[in-house]
Amino acid sequence: EIVLTQSPATLSLSPGERATLSCRASQSVSSHLAWYQQKPGQAPRLLIYGASRRATGITDKFSGSGSETDFTLTISRLEPEDFAVYYCQQYDTSLLTFGGGTNVEMK
Amino acid sequence: QVQLRESGPGLVKPSETLSLTCTVSGDSIISYDHYWSWIRQPPGKGLEYIAYMFYSGRTFYNPSLNSRGTISLDTANNQFSVKLNSVTAADTAVYYCVRGTGYYESSGHYFDRGAFDYWGQGILVSVSS
Repeated sequence: EIVLTQSPATLSLSPGERATLSCRASQSVSSHLAWYQQKPGQAPRLLIYGASRRATGITDKFSGSGSETDFTLTISRLEPEDFAVYYCQQYDTSLLTFGGGTNVEMK
Repeated sequence: QVQLRESGPGLVKPSETLSLTCTVSGDSIISYDHYWSWIRQPPGKGLEYIAYMFYSGRTFYNPSLNSRGTISLDTANNQFSVKLNSVTAADTAVYYCVRGTGYYESSGHYFDRGAFDYWGQGILVSVSS
């Protein structure tokens, strides 16, 4: 099983600041990595797939980078609606796995 | 507009079988571009997939379930379902039905097991006597 470790667990930032979230895989997943945003009481929403491709309707405020084992999600300028939990997920292996999440909270 | 909606009991007794159905609208489950999955999230915790299935019949289960799960497609009603037997309190969670989509990589290779692009709203299932 590929373990995805997200860091930090919590990121405290102010609106307008840049957020940088990390996801590290225990072995290579090539570029088969996605990022999701989840707000309280809602289902996750796909932001990024293929490590760097934005999903349909996702603003270029969100960008993904990385390959193999190290990945980053960047939110260029945080807006109030961006404060949420973010999960990474690998789909390189048939045993799909998710990271533990990063909570981006308002400072 | 693709929509998925979960339905089923919100309360199941320990040792019994949890059964949920997902009704898909705006898309056909008869598709080689998508696959259909159940993902759950215990209260306050992270995400875990239960199972997923392609229209071709290829099926994958999370080994952590110890063979307790069964996923199936109902093409006549454009639905898919999951059953989880011998449930315990540890199976209490919000259950999501989800669509995954394949895509062409920059190499030109088609990767059929892509990310999850459409999610149902989720249904809370509690296991309690």
